Amino acid sequence: DAGVTQSPTHLIKTRGQQVTLRCSPKSGHDTVSWYQQALGQGPQFIFQYYEEEERQRGNFPDRFSGHQFPNYSSELNVNALLLGDSALYLCASSSYPAANEKLFFGSGTQLSVL
Amino acid sequence: DAKTTQPNSMESNEEEPVHLPCNHSTISGTDYIHWYRQLPSQGPEYVIHGLTSNVNNRMASLAIAEDRKSSTLILHRATLRDAAVYYCTHAGGTSYGKLTFGQGTILTVHP
Repeated sequence: DAGVTQSPTHLIKTRGQQVTLRCSPKSGHDTVSWYQQALGQGPQFIFQYYEEEERQRGNFPDRFSGHQFPNYSSELNVNALLLGDSALYLCASSSYPAANEKLFFGSGTQLSVL
Repeated sequence: DAKTTQPNSMESNEEEPVHLPCNHSTISGTDYIHWYRQLPSQGPEYVIHGLTSNVNNRMASLAIAEDRKSSTLILHRATLRDAAVYYCTHAGGTSYGKLTFGQGTILTVHP
């Protein structure tokens, strides 16, 4: 049973460019959340998708957007990249968007913005 | 958002018990307490969660204070593979599983 898979594993971009990160949830899961983790910090919640809609959003600008597809996979898009967007981007899936659901995380996409 | 306070780091010897504390004084009555850990170059891994009663699973035990403003993650016999950053957080009924992570506790296990 495949867990949460993310692609690509590493990515290098320059300031001002746009990037798309992809996530496939664990089999049987229909909820996907995205987190940003800067070096030495804990993960910060970006947003969550359920039934192809954004359900919750953290304190991130509109440059960060997402999408969920009918097969529950998800994309995170970041426009107009800034140096400060360099981070590990984590995808987490669960079987329902609830407070008592445990999250399963992927290994992340390491984004470097030069 | 959830606010938690954890020690920056702790150390343990292999095969000894480890008690990792967490203060979550802003917790509300319906919030679940979650613990995750993160090994180097990996995403966080679920450890345990609970609401009011103490919880046990194959990985660890979770002891929740009576007022629920603090909790302790207990690793009964630490192994070298338990060396990781441990995060505690809490999530309420309307958060739809949104977790707010602090900086966590770096656990070092000595052989």
